[in-house]
Amino acid sequence: DVKVTQSSRYLVKRTGEKVFLECVQDMDHENMFWYRQDPGLGLRLIYFSYDVKMKEKGDIPEGYSVSREKKERFSLILESASTNQTSMYLCASSPGSVSGNTIYFGEGSWLTVV
Amino acid sequence: LAKTTQPISMDSYEGQEVNITCSHNNIATNDYITWYQQFPSQGPRFIIQGYKTKVTNEVASLFIPADRKSSTLSLPRVSLSDTAVYYCLVGGRRTGKLIFGQGTTLQVKP
Repeated sequence: DVKVTQSSRYLVKRTGEKVFLECVQDMDHENMFWYRQDPGLGLRLIYFSYDVKMKEKGDIPEGYSVSREKKERFSLILESASTNQTSMYLCASSPGSVSGNTIYFGEGSWLTVV
Repeated sequence: LAKTTQPISMDSYEGQEVNITCSHNNIATNDYITWYQQFPSQGPRFIIQGYKTKVTNEVASLFIPADRKSSTLSLPRVSLSDTAVYYCLVGGRRTGKLIFGQGTTLQVKP
C-alpha cells in the first residue's frame, strides 16, 4: 500500500513562529501536494510539486512556501505563522505521468496558531 | 481547469442506494473523474475512477454519460459507516492543480 506520512499530527505554535510541516511518501511518486482544509471551504490547494526542486503555486499560496529537495519528501513552511493559518493540513502524492492519476493522502496535521 | 459542482449535503437511510451527482462542464479530453471519501479527522481516500460509461468496483459504481459533463457516484445499500464527505475530482496528466470541489456530506440514518 502507498503510504504518505505526515510527521506531526497535532501542533500548537505561537504567532510569528516559523513552522515546518514534513511529508514523506514511499512510492516514488513524482507529484506531491499540500492542501489545507477548513470547515465550509473544503480542500484548497496551497502548493504542488511535480519533480524535485520544482514547485507551483496552488490557489492559496500566500503565507506559505515549500521545499522539495528529495523526491520522497515535501515540506510546507509557514515563515511567520498567523492565527488565520490554524487549520488541518493534508499532504498527498500521486504518480506523475499517467492520465487520471490517483492521489494518496496522509492522515493530516492539525495546526493551531495561538 | 475543470471546476466541479456537487450538492452540499444528502441524507439517506441504511440499506438504501445513494446517488451523488457531480457537474463538470469544462472537463478536458484527457481528464479522468475520481471520487474520494473522507471521514472526520482523516485524509480523503480513493473510492473509484472512470473516464466514460460505467465503472464498478466492490465499493461503488460510477456512471458517466457520453458528454462527460457530469458523473454520478452510486453507493449500493449504504450503512451508517458510509456517513462521510464525498468529493468529486476532475484532473489528469500532469495538470498538477488537482482541484477538489466542496464535497457532499452524506448522512446515513438508522
